[in-house]
Amino acid sequence: GAGVSQSPSNKVTEKGKDVELRCDPISGHTALYWYRQRLGQGLEFLIYFQGNSAPDKSGLPSDRFSAERTGESVSTLTIQRTQQEDSAVYLCASSRTSGRVSETQYFGPGTRLLVL
Amino acid sequence: GDSVTQMEGPVTLSEEAFLTINCTYTATGYPSLFWYVQYPGEGLQLLLKATKADDKGSNKGFEATYRKETTSFHLEKGSVQVSDSAVYFCALSDSGGYQKVTFGIGTKLQVIP
Repeated sequence: GAGVSQSPSNKVTEKGKDVELRCDPISGHTALYWYRQRLGQGLEFLIYFQGNSAPDKSGLPSDRFSAERTGESVSTLTIQRTQQEDSAVYLCASSRTSGRVSETQYFGPGTRLLVL
Repeated sequence: GDSVTQMEGPVTLSEEAFLTINCTYTATGYPSLFWYVQYPGEGLQLLLKATKADDKGSNKGFEATYRKETTSFHLEKGSVQVSDSAVYFCALSDSGGYQKVTFGIGTKLQVIP
């Protein structure tokens, strides 16, 4: 596609419910990243995929968070038993490769999650 | 661990004023440095980058120079426009096996006519 797309753009859920966020990276991009941006704060790294593997899950804040990627394409970030502190904008980014540190990451528009 | 510190906003300037947004970093190795911009209602996009010491990144009239001796990457523009109003994020990518990017908190710039 032309750019990274994410869905839904907005999600309102009740505390305790599970949510699934989707990211479609740019076609051919092997590296995919998830970040979280809480109100008034910078971006927090959550997880990184190289192909379908996730060599770094160090940023996932708790075991309620999980992510997967299939076909070296679409990725889903799942938050189980959502809490109010999970409210944030979840951003996905992709890049052609992770082999070069100067490779540009292209960001999606984000999913704004509100947990009531 | 890696970290990025940038000035908190909001920064409010009149059109055609000179802009500086300070950014300093802490990192092991030799990171690449970036400025990302987020215009109202839009996603993050790369503004400019520099991959080694003394490199100058530039785009749309913005410039930033990679200063290893002062661990800084300050963003400058000689004459801002209303259309530059956005949130600016300084970031670094470590020199390890992949590009985990560490972002600063973001600085909101408001340019008034």
